[in-house]
Amino acid sequence: DVKVTQSSRYLVKRTGEKVFLECVQDMDHENMFWYRQDPGLGLRLIYFSYDVKMKEKGDIPEGYSVSREKKERFSLILESASTNQTSMYLCASSLDRAWNSPLHFGNGTRLTVT
Amino acid sequence: AQTVTQSQPEMSVQEAETVTLSCTYDTSESNYYLFWYKQPPSRQMILVIRQEAYKQQNATENRFSVNFQKAAKSFSLKISDSQLGDTAMYFCAFSNQGGKLIFGQGTELSVKP
Repeated sequence: DVKVTQSSRYLVKRTGEKVFLECVQDMDHENMFWYRQDPGLGLRLIYFSYDVKMKEKGDIPEGYSVSREKKERFSLILESASTNQTSMYLCASSLDRAWNSPLHFGNGTRLTVT
Repeated sequence: AQTVTQSQPEMSVQEAETVTLSCTYDTSESNYYLFWYKQPPSRQMILVIRQEAYKQQNATENRFSVNFQKAAKSFSLKISDSQLGDTAMYFCAFSNQGGKLIFGQGTELSVKP
């Protein structure tokens, strides 16, 4: 089975801090994604990556950046955390760009910014 | 832009009964994939079922089946013989070329003993 591991399940940070959320997958998947999950809004795509060192903006990239230096690792960076970034963050990977390629998710990181 | 709408924020069903979760979507694409994902209280999201738009036959996975109405842009999930372990948040999702998924708002399903 594909394993997608997010480094933290719970994280509490202060406003203005730089925050790193790490995600690692172990199945040599090409694609990796960062979603944000909020009640009543579902999952919204922040950034995604189809290959090492490649990144593309999703629907809500403002306030975030990403890094993919190795194929298995995809990091989400909050340059200066704000309270409106308090949310559940989900990392996912998929095999390739085929439209039927299902996503495999990590357990999520619940980030609180105070 | 493609959108996915789940109009039922919460639903409940008695154990062993059948429940249907609704999903509608909007797209101008002719071929695409639709998915239902389940997120139990433990939080890891898992794939329940998927359907290719070109296939007229509705997908089935054990107790889970879909009713895909392409003209109406509707993709509902039917859960038969509901079990306590089906209690979860369910998300409908749409994918076209590129493998990027667009999700609905989610429906929280409670199965009651």
